[in-house]
Amino acid sequence: EAQVTQNPRYLITVTGKKLTVTCSQNMNHEYMSWYRQDPGLGLRQIYYSMNVEVTDKGDVPEGYKVSRKEKRNFPLILESPSPNQTSLYFCASSPGTGKGMNTEAFFGQGTRLTVV
Amino acid sequence: DAKTTQPPSMDCAEGRAANLPCNHSTISGNEYVYWYRQIHSQGPQYIIHGLKNNETNEMASLIITEDRKSSTLILPHATLRDTAVYYCIVRVGNNAGNNRKLIWGLGTSLAVNP
Repeated sequence: EAQVTQNPRYLITVTGKKLTVTCSQNMNHEYMSWYRQDPGLGLRQIYYSMNVEVTDKGDVPEGYKVSRKEKRNFPLILESPSPNQTSLYFCASSPGTGKGMNTEAFFGQGTRLTVV
Repeated sequence: DAKTTQPPSMDCAEGRAANLPCNHSTISGNEYVYWYRQIHSQGPQYIIHGLKNNETNEMASLIITEDRKSSTLILPHATLRDTAVYYCIVRVGNNAGNNRKLIWGLGTSLAVNP
């Protein structure tokens, strides 16, 4: 089954304790990205990756890092989490083929992060 | 900012057609209309997209006006499981840049009632 898998689904952590949220897709997609979703603000892009070893900032990259060492994996790293990073996070991937489908088509189930 | 305007909420009776409107009066000639939905904080789910012709798939139909300034997503026989937030997004389809991000508004919260 084609899917984007995020782990963990829920995480409560303390300020300053480094954490990683994993994202993996099994569709051989080149494009992957991370979003956060906050009430009243909608989904906002954090980082994206066009391919292995190619990453770039989205709209709200501060406090986050990413890496893309393999095509299928795109982990999100919070080196020193703060309470304002409490949010619902989504990973997405895109096939990049088909007219008009150069956009995210598959999303993970989300990671709800609480930083206390 | 999102380039679309949607009503914040709508209701629909189970078994009836749900018609969700979207205004995109500033849409450009090369921008597609995409629809997604999000069920109770799960990951967004792609529904359908179109450029200027009406489109239909197993989930829904998309009707785009001739001037392309508005569109309607139609769920022909809504069920309780269609209760979700529906997002209408416009975006250039053929990716000219590197980033394929979508700009999300707040969508329409559709409640399907028994």
